Amino acid sequence: GENVEQHPSTLSVQEGDSAVIKCTYSDSASNYFPWYKQELGKGPQLIIDIRSNVGEKKDQRIAVTLNKTAKHFSLHITETQPEDSAVYFCAALFQKLVFGTGTRLLVSP
Amino acid sequence: NAGVMQNPRHLVRRRGQEARLRCSPMKGHSHVYWYRQLPEEGLKFMVYLQKENIIDESGMPKERFSAEFPKEGPSILRIQQVVRGDSAAYFCASSPLGVAGKDTQYFGPGTRLTVL
Repeated sequence: GENVEQHPSTLSVQEGDSAVIKCTYSDSASNYFPWYKQELGKGPQLIIDIRSNVGEKKDQRIAVTLNKTAKHFSLHITETQPEDSAVYFCAALFQKLVFGTGTRLLVSP
Repeated sequence: NAGVMQNPRHLVRRRGQEARLRCSPMKGHSHVYWYRQLPEEGLKFMVYLQKENIIDESGMPKERFSAEFPKEGPSILRIQQVVRGDSAAYFCASSPLGVAGKDTQYFGPGTRLTVL
């Protein structure tokens, strides 16, 4: 079935360090992979997405890589800041958007 | 351009009552999606609608739950005879092209339903 696994479930880093969150998906037919950031009490906010015709995409401190052969994609945040602290969700579009279970990122000053 | 709007933001119901959750998509978006999020969990797809049509309701419980997106007005998620297990955050998202267009879904702030 359609499934997305996400690791780690929690991630603690010091301000200025890099953070990496990894996801794998079950169905190779998926070709759209968004990442969302959710702050406490708020809705998910799209931060970056990637389509299967590219292997990497960057937007300032955020980058996403995609390996279609291995069916995994990763979020990279460089020079982390305390305001990056939130829960991050990966997702893959099958017939519907299927979300990972989330990663709680804590950036300590 | 206002984002996706949901109301109410918080809703408290007693067991057996009805809950109505409303979602107004972003301007120009005709595709609406509803998701449920239990505490400390990810988002689970419930239903996908276009104006006056239900496209995919595979994630919605067969009983007590219904959704609509009329020609005029917001999309409504309706939960009849609520039970404690319905307590969750319900999020609506919208997109301009839909799943076939593989386009981005933008989320609203959610409605937090508490069933006493």
